[in-house]
Amino acid sequence: DSGVTQTPKHLITATGQRVTLRCSPRSGDLSVYWYQQSLDQGLQFLIQYYNGEERAKGNILERFSAQQFPDLHSELNLSSLELGDSALYFCASSPRGDASSYGYTFGSGTRLTVV
Amino acid sequence: AQKITQTQPGMFVQEKEAVTLDCTYDTSDPSYGLFWYKQPSSGEMIFLIYQGSYDQQNATEGRYSLNFQKARKSANLVISASQLGDSAMYFCAMRNYGGSQGNLIFGKGTKLSVKP
Repeated sequence: DSGVTQTPKHLITATGQRVTLRCSPRSGDLSVYWYQQSLDQGLQFLIQYYNGEERAKGNILERFSAQQFPDLHSELNLSSLELGDSALYFCASSPRGDASSYGYTFGSGTRLTVV
Repeated sequence: AQKITQTQPGMFVQEKEAVTLDCTYDTSDPSYGLFWYKQPSSGEMIFLIYQGSYDQQNATEGRYSLNFQKARKSANLVISASQLGDSAMYFCAMRNYGGSQGNLIFGKGTKLSVKP
């Protein structure tokens, strides 16, 4: 167990729907990062939050949004889902706003299938 | 702009042999970190090894070592005495320390298959 908890582990939903992915960072970590891993695009950075505030934005679609709550857990909201959004979504955490020498601690991911 | 390139989509190695997974990077920031992660078929991302741009010696962690050649901008992962459990995807990643962002940039990965 890495200490980063992601729920749910699997999610199957229809096109056009909206889903919420949840992440609890490792105890003491202030930063949360979201990544999307698809077969053709590899691991793509979506967004980073640090202590409740957005710190960096990557290739995140406008249909996607995220937030980090006061207890530091984070949610990634995906709306108007398309078939191409099917992917493995990772959450990772780190103690500070940067990746320390030990990088991130990754959760086990949420596998989203859009049908 | 940062970029990580892994040119080997797939590799095979015989059990107990050593294998080198290639990684080249591009950055204009003089301060950066290089990481290797392992992703087995179960999907989790496992941190293996880290090399800082100012580190004088190549990083080692057990059977993993990082062959860091700064002038050539390469950070190859060497796995010694391969085991069947080493079969997995391997990702090279980089983070620049010059800015305020903390995100890692990943390469596309190399799928390693260890043959008995």
